[in-house]
Amino acid sequence: EAGVTQFPSHSVIEKGQTVTLRCDPISGHDNLYWYRRVMGKEIKFLLHFVKESKQDESGMPNNRFLAERTGGTYSTLKVQPAELEDSGVYFCASSQASGPPYGGNTIYFGEGSWLTVV
Amino acid sequence: GQNIDQPTEMTATEGAIVQINCTYQTSGFNGLFWYQQHAGEAPTFLSYNVLDGLEEKGRFSSFLSRSKGYSYLLLKELQMKDSASYLCAVRGYQKVTFGTGTKLQVIP
Repeated sequence: EAGVTQFPSHSVIEKGQTVTLRCDPISGHDNLYWYRRVMGKEIKFLLHFVKESKQDESGMPNNRFLAERTGGTYSTLKVQPAELEDSGVYFCASSQASGPPYGGNTIYFGEGSWLTVV
Repeated sequence: GQNIDQPTEMTATEGAIVQINCTYQTSGFNGLFWYQQHAGEAPTFLSYNVLDGLEEKGRFSSFLSRSKGYSYLLLKELQMKDSASYLCAVRGYQKVTFGTGTKLQVIP
């Protein structure tokens, strides 16, 4: 079974440019999460999709960040325009909607998209 | 809201046992995760506790006390490859919140 995949793995862009990160969750996982870890800080929640609906987007830092999950499959996270403080690792994770604690609620992470804004 | 505390760094000797503690305050609780993260890699799932007690998985065990808002991860027979960050994460109603992680260094 394929895991959570993210693209690109690394990206270096200039301040003011746009970057779009993509996440393909594990097949059949209705829940999709975006997290971010900036240098030296903890992993912080950005938002949560259940299928195509945004369940919780309380962690999105500002309106320069836009996440979509059309069709309830893959998701994109766009940063426009990028600022220096947006540099960090953006993790996508997914989990099943229901089921026993281990089977249904385990959250699996992708390898992350490492973003550097210069 | 949720608040999660764990030590920033720990050092332990190869072959020894180490316990990494995590305390939390949360407005809703639907389980606690432990993840391992090596530098430059994605967090990988270690354990999930939703009921009080000890869950054992090989060299790793995780304990939860919901009444005390407390968990620990126990690593036995430490190996050099266990050097990594260990993340405590609490699931609220839907969202999972992470602690800052404990960086464990295993020394010979």
